Amino acid sequence: NAGVTQTPKFQVLKTGQSMTLQCAQDMNHEYMSWYRQDPGMGLRLIHYSVGAGITDQGEVPNGYNVSRSTTEDFPLRLLSAAPSQTSVYFCASRTTVNSNQPQHFGDGTRLSIL
Amino acid sequence: AQKITQTQPGMFVQEKEAVTLDCTYDTSDQSYGLFWYKQPSSGEMIFLIYQGSYDEQNATEGRYSLNFQKARKSANLVISASQLGDSAMYFCAMTVYSSASKIIFGSGTRLSIRP
Repeated sequence: NAGVTQTPKFQVLKTGQSMTLQCAQDMNHEYMSWYRQDPGMGLRLIHYSVGAGITDQGEVPNGYNVSRSTTEDFPLRLLSAAPSQTSVYFCASRTTVNSNQPQHFGDGTRLSIL
Repeated sequence: AQKITQTQPGMFVQEKEAVTLDCTYDTSDQSYGLFWYKQPSSGEMIFLIYQGSYDEQNATEGRYSLNFQKARKSANLVISASQLGDSAMYFCAMTVYSSASKIIFGSGTRLSIRP
């Protein structure tokens, strides 16, 4: 019963490097999303997807790219890492788009950009 | 556009007292849902309670209840008989069902329970 799995749990990057944060869910959920949480702050929506092949921007999309080629996977790509992207990143999923069910969250990826 | 506002950055409450965490929202849509999550110091997000805009009664889940005042656009979380384990960050979130159904969060309230 894995739920939402995020990898890696921790990562340190240098400015300008690129990387992909992985997110996978095994619940056949249509809706998936990525958030970032800066210290002492709330979650801000980066990108979300309402199904395979469909993605859209959230509140803070700049500097990030996503794709949804399968229902299970929703990777988040940092194109050229910047110190301002140091944060904890959460992936979440829920059953369908218009659902009263809550999102299931992964454990988060703690990312530091030097 | 959707907006969620939590105006209490931090609160201290004595153990066993009831506590109300404020949440106001803004949307022009009639069909929407409101969620509350708890985030302990360990970092995981724990779902607490849900209220739909068309639900006639306020939602309750154990010690948690949601004081939903639609006309005032508020969805306050009430925790009865607080416990030390309730110390955590609490986030209000909303989704609008008539649009792309993205879910956005407020900035959170840090609740500290005093023994």
